[in-house]
Amino acid sequence: EVQLVESGGGLVQPGGSLRLSCAASGFTFSSYSMNWVRQAPGKGLEWVSYISSSSSTTYYADSVKGRFTISRDNAKNSLYLQMNSLRAEDTAIYYCAREFSFWGQGTLVTVSS
Amino acid sequence: DVVMTQSPLSLPVTLGQPASISCRSSQSLVYSDGNTYLNWFQQRPGQSPRRLIYKVSNRDSGVPDRFSGSGSGTDFTLKISRVEAEDVGVYYCMHSTHWPNTFGQGTKLEIK
Repeated sequence: EVQLVESGGGLVQPGGSLRLSCAASGFTFSSYSMNWVRQAPGKGLEWVSYISSSSSTTYYADSVKGRFTISRDNAKNSLYLQMNSLRAEDTAIYYCAREFSFWGQGTLVTVSS
Repeated sequence: DVVMTQSPLSLPVTLGQPASISCRSSQSLVYSDGNTYLNWFQQRPGQSPRRLIYKVSNRDSGVPDRFSGSGSGTDFTLKISRVEAEDVGVYYCMHSTHWPNTFGQGTKLEIK
């Protein structure tokens, strides 16, 4: 069974940093590209970042470019999102998704003083 | 960036009746390989999104056949042939043809 489990969310002050993780199981993680998608409270979905299966290619939404870094460790079946210089508008549930066909349950990031 | 515009944003439907959601893109979603990477997602209350349709009209595994997708170029439609109670939620279109990938605003389907 395909499973994606996000972790690492929490409350952080503006300007702070947080690292999200997504643990994958039930499929050959190294064969799939991965994405992070977020959803602010009561709002719609926003694509955040993409990484290819080999990590050779990454893309970011303009809203996070230069502040967020996506990475993966295929040996550990894990996806990461390093978030720096966090702003109030980054407050959201962050989902990892395997090529959009499977999604995790999400982890909540709250940026507030 | 490609702007995805859904309509309607609110869709009250009687059980057993059909429903239709439109999604229009600000530019063509045909990729250089000839495919059109237009997806539809369902998000039930309190749940993660679930993909229903990929590449315009292909249903994901386990998706009931009452869901269908159609369209081309910049104009796409998600149809539900007979709405059931479990279909309540928000529906999003999203393209993955260009970077950045972008979502529509969402259409909230409710039972009348």
